[in-house]
Amino acid sequence: DAGITQSPRHKVTETGTPVTLRCHQTENHRYMYWYRQDPGHGLRLIHYSYGVKDTDKGEVSDGYSVSRSKTEDFLLTLESATSSQTSVYFCAIGLTGGPGELFFGEGSRLTVL
Amino acid sequence: GDSVTQMEGPVTLSEEAFLTINCTYTATGYPSLFWYVQYPGEGLQLLLKATKADDKGSNKGFEATYRKETTSFHLEKGSVQVSDSAVYFCALVRDKLSFGAGTTVTVRA
Repeated sequence: DAGITQSPRHKVTETGTPVTLRCHQTENHRYMYWYRQDPGHGLRLIHYSYGVKDTDKGEVSDGYSVSRSKTEDFLLTLESATSSQTSVYFCAIGLTGGPGELFFGEGSRLTVL
Repeated sequence: GDSVTQMEGPVTLSEEAFLTINCTYTATGYPSLFWYVQYPGEGLQLLLKATKADDKGSNKGFEATYRKETTSFHLEKGSVQVSDSAVYFCALVRDKLSFGAGTTVTVRA
């Protein structure tokens, strides 16, 4: 079974500080995604990756960067956190059943004060 | 662009009641449609899907039929349980997955 570990699961930080969230998968799925979840907005795609060093922007990518140096790890970085980035962040991997079939991690709750 | 609109919640039901969550979509062509469910404190899980018109997806007693004439993919369950309390998301995919805002469902014993 696919497995995803997100870390940290909870983080509180100050405005202007850098933050990195990590997503680790236990299998070699090619596609990985970062979403944010906010009330009234559902999930919105921040960035995604279709292979090592291959990434692209989603609909809400401003203020975020990503890196994927290994198949199993996908990092999301907030270079200078703002209060508007307070959210729950979900990592997901694309399963082989076809586009749209994603397996999600348990989420990372970030609070920016 | 492509989008999904689902009914606003929250929805509160008694056990064994009938549940319907409305979902309509706007898209060119015929995208694949999905329902995801998020139980408290967890990530989203794929509940069911339909890839073409008139397809019916089903899982765990839930069903949804892809209706191209009404551009809808409503989720239904005939008899809900307390364990069905969750947030339900309708979604469509073209090149990437787009989610609706989610509907919170609470089932009372």
